[in-house]
Amino acid sequence: SQQGEEDPQALSIQEGENATMNCSYKTSINNLQWYRQNSGRGLVHLILIRSNEREKHSGRLRVTLDTSKKSSSLLITASRAADTASYFCATRGRGSTLGRLYFGRGTQLTVWP
Amino acid sequence: GAVVSQHPSRVICKSGTSVKIECRSLDFQATTMFWYRQFPKKSLMLMATSNEGSKATYEQGVEKDKFLINHASLTLSTLTVTSAHPEDSSFYICSAPGSGTSGYYEQYFGPGTRLTVT
Repeated sequence: SQQGEEDPQALSIQEGENATMNCSYKTSINNLQWYRQNSGRGLVHLILIRSNEREKHSGRLRVTLDTSKKSSSLLITASRAADTASYFCATRGRGSTLGRLYFGRGTQLTVWP
Repeated sequence: GAVVSQHPSRVICKSGTSVKIECRSLDFQATTMFWYRQFPKKSLMLMATSNEGSKATYEQGVEKDKFLINHASLTLSTLTVTSAHPEDSSFYICSAPGSGTSGYYEQYFGPGTRLTVT
């Protein structure tokens, strides 16, 4: 399966702390994307990292990609209570149909005020 | 950014009836849309790829006669759950790829439709 797998499944931290979530996948990818989902809502795209990139930043988000280990990490710095949500990584395989993504099970992040 | 809407947001129906869910791209055209299903505290499972002007492509294990997909226009795809059963109760989400650069496309997701079959 191309499906990504996030680790940990659940993460609970205090406001101001950093949150790190990891994702592993099994096959060659075109790109890897991170999404956020608030309970009972749709997904919001956070950041996309291409297979030839190793690190990318967007605001308080930092994503790394290690294609040799088939893994990625998402770091949220100085977390806020509003960051509480589920975070999913999704991979697009090489040669796959445009936009066809495979999602992991997600990490449930809870940030306590 | 691009906006995708879904209607209805919630629906409750009786076993044996059919339910139609609409997915619209509001400010962009989408020749391709994707339908996902999500169980509580689980990942999104891709069900099918909806193609404007042609038949949908279904993932392995998804019954095409059960989940009818029609991509009627460049901004509308519909998913009809036919002869619904309680096990069809789930959260259904659609998405459409944006017009990314260099072939790297992000997905824009609808807000989801909660289907409950009683």
